[in-house]
Amino acid sequence: GEQVEQLPSILRVQEGSSASINCTYENSASNYFPWYKQEPGENPKLIIDIRSNMERKQTQGLIVLLDKKAKRFSLHITDTQPGDSAMYFCAARASSGSWQLIFGSGTQLTVMP
Amino acid sequence: NSKVIQTPRYLVKGQGQKAKMRCIPEKGHPVVFWYQQNKNNEFKFLINFQNQEVLQQIDMTEKRFSAECPSNSPCSLEIQSSEAGDSALYLCASSQQQDTQYFGPGTRLLVL
Repeated sequence: GEQVEQLPSILRVQEGSSASINCTYENSASNYFPWYKQEPGENPKLIIDIRSNMERKQTQGLIVLLDKKAKRFSLHITDTQPGDSAMYFCAARASSGSWQLIFGSGTQLTVMP
Repeated sequence: NSKVIQTPRYLVKGQGQKAKMRCIPEKGHPVVFWYQQNKNNEFKFLINFQNQEVLQQIDMTEKRFSAECPSNSPCSLEIQSSEAGDSALYLCASSQQQDTQYFGPGTRLLVL
């Protein structure tokens, strides 16, 4: 089946620095790529998404890049704060005609004060 | 940011028992998804609906689960005979379009 690979699985950064998470997908027909943040005991919350008609999207300290040729997308958190510490999941919409999301395995981000 | 309602938040069942959870999608969202997130944080798509119709479901759901989204009532997902491996967080998401999905708080199921 379709898979989304996510790296790294664990990421520790110093407060104020940037953090980057990378994902790759298999199906070139995938056209929607959301990112979710999940804190312990909570549900995943959508933080940013990008569609295949864009290469870059930015909102409130978050940047998402999409390279369709390489089938790769990434999340960059600028000026990290302790409150950014959480699990982050990338996802890709399954191949055309199916609306389910295929999730990456997650990145545990810790921002150290 | 999500207005999806899920009940109950926690559910404890014995093996072989039925386990039923409910979801009220965000108003105006015709598409509903159910996912299972296990203790390793892995997501598994279970089933989705558009209005009352099943769009897609996996084999496990077809064989062991009962799910519906009746009009003017909450959507529901019911495990017919719970197994220890069903212990997980069950997440309902709703969508207005075909892509953006907002998750509810989830139902955490523990099968003893």
